[in-house]
Amino acid sequence: DTAVSQTPKYLVTQMGNDKSIKCEQNLGHDTMYWYKQDSKKFLKIMFSYNNKELIINETVPNRFSPKSPDKAHLNLHINSLELGDSAVYFCASRQTAGPSYNEQFFGPGTRLTVL
Amino acid sequence: GNSVTQMEGPVTLSEEAFLTINCTYTATGYPSLFWYVQYPGEGLQLLLKATKADDKGSNKGFEATYRKETTSFHLEKGSVQVSDSAVYFCALSAPNTGNQFYFGTGTSLTVIP
Repeated sequence: DTAVSQTPKYLVTQMGNDKSIKCEQNLGHDTMYWYKQDSKKFLKIMFSYNNKELIINETVPNRFSPKSPDKAHLNLHINSLELGDSAVYFCASRQTAGPSYNEQFFGPGTRLTVL
Repeated sequence: GNSVTQMEGPVTLSEEAFLTINCTYTATGYPSLFWYVQYPGEGLQLLLKATKADDKGSNKGFEATYRKETTSFHLEKGSVQVSDSAVYFCALSAPNTGNQFYFGTGTSLTVIP
């Protein structure tokens, strides 16, 4: 069973479109994250979210918005897509208490290509 | 502030060679340290971790020791295999920022037969 899953795995779209990437974790974790990985493999945290607090990296454009329907899901919605949004987006989760409290578990990634 | 610096790649080694990927960190307090591995086309997987000074993390023949005096967490493997070809990320989890993760820039390793 996949612990952290993302859909779709690949997403190709036109500039200006609005798209969403979905993330689900079945680990019972209380905190979820979105990361952006650029072509040089550099990882940048975009958001962290638990049921109490959303923390936004201030460098992330407000075209990006996380949406969490419940504790197991954190979706990423992107408005007015731009060429520079092309990247691989990773979802991750963590349980903030317990023996592995400081370890993050990653999804397989969504490769977004904006044409 | 908190940050991680790791050696730039790419690194190319022959099979059975010795591997070292350097990682140093800056942190307030007592962070936990991690190495994650990303195989081609996949997400990041935890390779090993250490949660306090002098701890040694190990997995799949890889090792790293948490050195507080040198603020380092270098990754080593005695004999690499072609299947070890991947991107390796050093990371820290900082308690003073709610255990937010800070990743290094990643080091690409290619092992040739």
